[in-house]
Formats: sequence, structure tokens, C-alpha cells
Amino acid sequence: EVQLVESGGGLAQPGGSLRLSCTVSGFTFSDHHMDWVRQAPGMGLEWVGRTKKKANSYSTEYAASVKGRFMLSRDESQSSVYLHMHSLRTEDTAMYYCVRVSSDYYHDFWGQGTRVTVSS
Amino acid sequence: DIQLTQSPSFVSASVGDRVTITCRASQGIASSLAWCQQKPGKAPKLLIYAASTLQSGVPPRFSGSGFGTEFTLTINSLQPEDFATYYCQQHSSYPLTFGGGTKVEI
Repeated sequence: EVQLVESGGGLAQPGGSLRLSCTVSGFTFSDHHMDWVRQAPGMGLEWVGRTKKKANSYSTEYAASVKGRFMLSRDESQSSVYLHMHSLRTEDTAMYYCVRVSSDYYHDFWGQGTRVTVSS
Repeated sequence: DIQLTQSPSFVSASVGDRVTITCRASQGIASSLAWCQQKPGKAPKLLIYAASTLQSGVPPRFSGSGFGTEFTLTINSLQPEDFATYYCQQHSSYPLTFGGGTKVEI
């Protein structure tokens, strides 16, 4: 069974940092790109970024709204992906979902999410 | 960026109704479109990918169609568990984008 479990959410101050983790199981982690998608309270879904698999040199892609502030990484030995968030803004307040990318590049499995609140 | 415009934003429907949701892309995306369902307090769940392919385990009352810039999600014979918000999403190019959502309510 495919499982994605996020952790690391919580309260951060504007300008602060947080690191979100997503640990996966039930599939071959190294075969898949992994994305983060967020959802502000009462709002729609927003793609945050992608960490690609080894075959694509672990390269990354980011949404313009987070580029330069957020960084994605992955640890194959831990079957985990990480979202390093810096220079946090109140508008980064959201539920953050870890999402598996299928071999045909759509989102096929979602984690349950971890909530981030940025407030003073 | 590719904009996805979903309509309508809200649908008021009854059990047994047929519901159709449209998603229009600002430029052609071939069949690189997926639909997901989100219930309150839950993570989204994939329903359809490649515009018209039903994800494993999804009831056949859900169907998708379209290519290029116009896509449709149809729910035949709406069931109580189908009351949720539905999103389209394109994965043709970066940044990936989502439609604004369609809330299906009683």
C-alpha cells in the first residue's frame, strides 16, 4: 500500500524557517518524482515544487511564489523528501501535501498533509 | 503559465443527478489533465488522469473527456459520497496549475 506521511508543520514567525518531511512506503521511491502542493485555508490547491528522481539528476522545479525561499531535497536512504522553507510569509500559511508523481507525470497519491501557520 | 478555468464554481444537486464540470485551459495541453476530488478536511484523491482514464478503484459513474483546451468531468447518478470539491490540474508544463475548484453540494 502506497503511503506518504508528512511531518514538521507548526507555527513559525514571519521571516522564520521550517522544514517539512515526507516519508514514503509501499513503492520504489527512487522511481518517482515527488511534489509538494499547498492549500491555504478555504482556498484552492497550489503547486509548490518538484524534486525529480535520480535519473533526472535530482533536479528541482519551483513555483514562482516560493522560488528563492523554499528548497526541496530528498534522501533515497530514508525514502524521504524535504521542503526547507525560509523567509516565511503570512501567505505561506497552508496545509502542505506531499504528492507522488506517476510515471506519466500526474499526481497519483497524496499524503494527509501537515499544517503550517505563519504568524507573529 | 497555463490558466485553468473551471465552471461552474458551485453546483447544487441531488442524489441521482448527473453533474458536468468544465475545465478550460488557456493554451493547449493535449491530454495532460487530471481530475481530483477533495472532501472537507481530507487530502485530494485522484479520479481521472490523461483526461479520460479512470484511476483504479474509482466508480465508473465518473468519466472524463476532452483534449487540447476543453475538458469535462461528468458524474452520472450522483451518490451521497460524491458531495465534495473537484479540481482539474494540468501537468503539461511548469508551473503545474490547478483549476479554482467546483464544489458539489446538496
